[in-house]
Amino acid sequence: RKEVEQDPGPFNVPEGATVAFNCTYSNSASQSFFWYRQDCRKEPKLLMSVYSSGNEDGRFTAQLNRASQYISLLIRDSKLSDSATYLCVVSGMNYGGSQGNLIFGKGTKLSVKP
Amino acid sequence: EPEVTQTPSHQVTQMGQEVILRCVPISNHLYFYWYRQILGQKVEFLVSFYNNEISEKSEIFDDQFSVERPDGSNFTLKIRSTKLEDSAMYFCASSVVRDQPQHFGDGTRLSIL
Repeated sequence: RKEVEQDPGPFNVPEGATVAFNCTYSNSASQSFFWYRQDCRKEPKLLMSVYSSGNEDGRFTAQLNRASQYISLLIRDSKLSDSATYLCVVSGMNYGGSQGNLIFGKGTKLSVKP
Repeated sequence: EPEVTQTPSHQVTQMGQEVILRCVPISNHLYFYWYRQILGQKVEFLVSFYNNEISEKSEIFDDQFSVERPDGSNFTLKIRSTKLEDSAMYFCASSVVRDQPQHFGDGTRLSIL
């Protein structure tokens, strides 16, 4: 089983649409969860951290379900500038129980059209 | 807003040559990382560094790789004898503490000929 799996893309949506991304992770001991966005040939940029209680930042809402090992990202009222690849990212764990490295999904490409 | 800076932005090197990639992490961050991304593939962890020593490394980070913090600001990744398959984008990242979000530099594109 892959460590972090995401919806295959691409998602092509019109401006103003609501779009949802889903992600599952395999390591139940992971403690930190994030969504990053990556523009073509650019660095990953932190979009938001994800908490069990769910969190919202403007048009973006992230949810975490630890029991199902499932993470989601909802984008409302999508803009042209939201076009990017969205990366689901989970903290790694070593045998000592510490966290440090990030484990990335392959990403889901979003294209928002006028 | 403080940012992670990387140099050079693009490095072209002959196979078998040594290459050093440089990074300046955000000044109050304590944890430093290197990742790579082969074209069309996912971002992969290489190594993390804290308190002047490696804290974790992946299977990719073999004896050809080394990291160093030669002074108070720079963090370097050295590849001793480059291979064609080392061609990738290399990202440096830093975080305040271990499980906090990591902030990435804009990467060095390494091309091995």
